[in-house]
Amino acid sequence: KAGVTQTPRYLIKTRGQQVTLSCSPISGHRSVSWYQQTPGQGLQFLFEYFSETQRNKGNFPGRFSGRQFSNSRSEMNVSTLELGDSALYLCASGLTGDGREQYFGPGTRLTVT
Amino acid sequence: AQSVTQPDIHITVSEGASLELRCNYSYGATPYLFWYVQSPGQGLQLLLKYFSGDTLVQGIKGFEAEFKRSQSSFNLRKPSVHWSDAAEYFCAVVMNTGNQFYFGTGTSLTVIP
Repeated sequence: KAGVTQTPRYLIKTRGQQVTLSCSPISGHRSVSWYQQTPGQGLQFLFEYFSETQRNKGNFPGRFSGRQFSNSRSEMNVSTLELGDSALYLCASGLTGDGREQYFGPGTRLTVT
Repeated sequence: AQSVTQPDIHITVSEGASLELRCNYSYGATPYLFWYVQSPGQGLQLLLKYFSGDTLVQGIKGFEAEFKRSQSSFNLRKPSVHWSDAAEYFCAVVMNTGNQFYFGTGTSLTVIP
């Protein structure tokens, strides 16, 4: 069974641009969560989608948004990029809704210049 | 508020020596507990997890962790460290009501020959 796939793996953008990251969960998984990892703030929860519905949201500005499609694939979008958005973005694929079976993807490294 | 504490930011051990990484959590109930390892530029790899039952859990790469309810701790141990264990280690918890991970700030491990 294939693991969690994130595309692209690396991305360089300019301040003010927008970016879309994609996460394909493990087949059969219905939950996708997104995390931002930076040296200063560590690993922070962005949001979680379960069966196309946002179920939980972290403390990030509205520039960060996401969605989930009927095939469980998820995208997150960051508009009006800032230098501080440079980070590793990780997604986690979940089988159940209770947190026990989740698997992380390799991440997308976003650099904002 | 929920929190996960890894009191050691950085640890240096000699190859072949034993290792213990500390993790404490603050929650109303016992959450699901995890340890992840991250090599530079990589994603998160699951070392082990605890849901219930036997409080000593075995993981990959020779790691083990012990859950102590009275101390709200879930410390990671390895009897003999290898140079390839040098990495960042993250303790994480998930409440059994959802999928959101709460991560500690991480412990960076350096292994000297």
